[in-house]
Amino acid sequence: AQSVTQLDSQVPVFEEAPVELRCNYSSSVSVYLFWYVQYPNQGLQLLLKYLSGSTLVKGINGFEAEFNKSQTSFHLRKPSVHISDTAEYFCAVADTGRRALTFGSGTRLQVQP
Amino acid sequence: NAGVTQTPKFQVLKTGQSMTLQCAQDMNHNSMYWYRQDPGMGLRLIYYSASEGTTDKGEVPNGYNVSRLNKREFSLRLESAAPSQTSVYFCASRLDSWEGQTPAFFGQGTRLTVV
Repeated sequence: AQSVTQLDSQVPVFEEAPVELRCNYSSSVSVYLFWYVQYPNQGLQLLLKYLSGSTLVKGINGFEAEFNKSQTSFHLRKPSVHISDTAEYFCAVADTGRRALTFGSGTRLQVQP
Repeated sequence: NAGVTQTPKFQVLKTGQSMTLQCAQDMNHNSMYWYRQDPGMGLRLIYYSASEGTTDKGEVPNGYNVSRLNKREFSLRLESAAPSQTSVYFCASRLDSWEGQTPAFFGQGTRLTVV
């Protein structure tokens, strides 16, 4: 069985500061990893995905994430956040055998002026 | 492009009532999913359908039934609603489920309250 752990339920940060949202996963097989963002009262939008190849992946809105197989992590980073980045962020994993994504519990990013 | 459309957006039910949540996608995707979102628990899979005519249970299927009416539509039915089913429900679709590589696209959600 696969699982996803997002260690921080809330991350407050000041505008223009860097941020890292942590995600760890467990799976017995190779995985594909995703980060989604959910703005208030909206559905989930894909930020970025890791399928194979380079372990550093870039997504929309200036976000990037690094896949670390030895640490089973896929942390999301942004060097300088904006107020508009305030949202909930979900890490998700899919393996080659399953047919649905498994989600973490989410991290609420609160950007303060 | 409409993407994934869910109806209704909001619903209040009394305990014991039944209702069906509708979902349709116009992206010619093979796989469709129903998730529920509860505070602090992320999204949990209720049911999914890898292709037209097939459905499978997810992590929390009890109290729900689904129908994959055709390739576009995947409905979720609550036969006898309970307060524990108060949640936000999301429908999602994905092009190809076999390799797990393609991302899922989500609807805007249905906020259901059972009183």
